[in-house]
Amino acid sequence: GAVVSQHPSRVICKSGTSVKIECRSLDFQATTMFWYRQFPKQSLMLMATSNEGSKATYEQGVEKDKFLINHASLTLSTLTVTSAHPEDSSFYICSARDYIYGYTFGSGTRLTVV
Amino acid sequence: AQSVTQPDIHITVSEGASLELRCNYSYGATPYLFWYVQSPGQGLQLLLKYFSGDTLVQGIKGFEAEFKRSQSSFNLRKPSVHWSDAAEYFCAVGMYSGGGADGLTFGKGTHLIIQP
Repeated sequence: GAVVSQHPSRVICKSGTSVKIECRSLDFQATTMFWYRQFPKQSLMLMATSNEGSKATYEQGVEKDKFLINHASLTLSTLTVTSAHPEDSSFYICSARDYIYGYTFGSGTRLTVV
Repeated sequence: AQSVTQPDIHITVSEGASLELRCNYSYGATPYLFWYVQSPGQGLQLLLKYFSGDTLVQGIKGFEAEFKRSQSSFNLRKPSVHWSDAAEYFCAVGMYSGGGADGLTFGKGTHLIIQP
């Protein structure tokens, strides 16, 4: 089946620094990838839609300057949390759309900002 | 805007008993419907999906779901649960607009507890 690899699985960073999370589709090309955020014991909230070769589309209330998304190739999208603060601590999950299996999710990244 | 309601936050079922997790959606057209399972600290695994056709969908791990248009529901069922089924279950809806695939809208999830 379709596989989406997400790295790192866990990251701890200091307040004010930036963190980059990678999302790769391993065996298919993904023109569209999605980034979600999940707070403890809560549901997933769509943050943005990442389109290969174009600007990302952000959901209402998501700061585009804080959460930088780059989708430079058909198999890689990155999310950079800039100037991270403790309130950015969360579980971030990416997803890619393929035309056989639907939406395939990465294993998530646990970000802790200290 | 589309929305997904999972009315049961927690469900406790005895091992070997049957299971039904409820999901209702609100959307003008027929969306694409999904059920995912998530273990603690893990990503999401697709159990099954409905795009069109037969309204009874078979998934992995013995799960099935039935799309009922008249009730705007997509309930997940399993005839006999196993202790390994304990997890968080999410119902989600998606659609394809003129611009391509949209991201999914998730319900709040149902936490399934299995009693021995």
